[in-house]
Amino acid sequence: AQSVTQPDIHITVSEGASLELRCNYSYGATPYLFWYVQSPGQGLQLLLKYFSGDTLVQGIKGFEAEFKRSQSSFNLRKPSVHWSDAAEYFCAVGSYGQNFVFGPGTRLSVLP
Amino acid sequence: DTEVTQTPKHLVMGMTNKKSLKCEQHMGHRAMYWYKQKAKKPPELMFVYSYEKLSINESVPSRFSPECPNSSLLNLHLHALQPEDSALYLCASSLSRDPGSYEQYFGPGTRLTVT
Repeated sequence: AQSVTQPDIHITVSEGASLELRCNYSYGATPYLFWYVQSPGQGLQLLLKYFSGDTLVQGIKGFEAEFKRSQSSFNLRKPSVHWSDAAEYFCAVGSYGQNFVFGPGTRLSVLP
Repeated sequence: DTEVTQTPKHLVMGMTNKKSLKCEQHMGHRAMYWYKQKAKKPPELMFVYSYEKLSINESVPSRFSPECPNSSLLNLHLHALQPEDSALYLCASSLSRDPGSYEQYFGPGTRLTVT
């Protein structure tokens, strides 16, 4: 069965520190990979996506993610976190003929 | 423009009421989705419309009735809801008729409270 895990339920970092959010997936087909961010009470905003090609993808708001097929991972990174990055982050995996499977989410808190 | 709009933003309804949620996109997308999201959980897919036809119904109770009047609009009609139906209802759209192979753009959601 397809599944997506985000091992960290809650992460706290200081403003200006680097960030890495983990995402692992189990998928039989070629996966399409996405990261979304959700502020409280808001919809989901697409940060970045990976379909094929270069395994390091750049997104909005200074985020990047790296696809590692051998590790079935698609981790999200940011070199310097801003207080406005505090939010819930969802990793999602899709494939042809299969709707998205969302991970459980990681809540990011940012200390001043 | 990657905007999906939803109205209303908040809705409080009794268990005997009938109400509707509305969603609109003008990106030329041909697939539209309804999701339900409970607090601290990821979105759960309810329905998918592809080319204005219902293509996926994730065994949603009949008290939820979707409608796609045209390629830009998606409605969710609500009737005789239960308190456990209180949640954030998200609409999304994507370019591709295949739900898993293209990014989805989400609206801001409707916060529904059933009393």
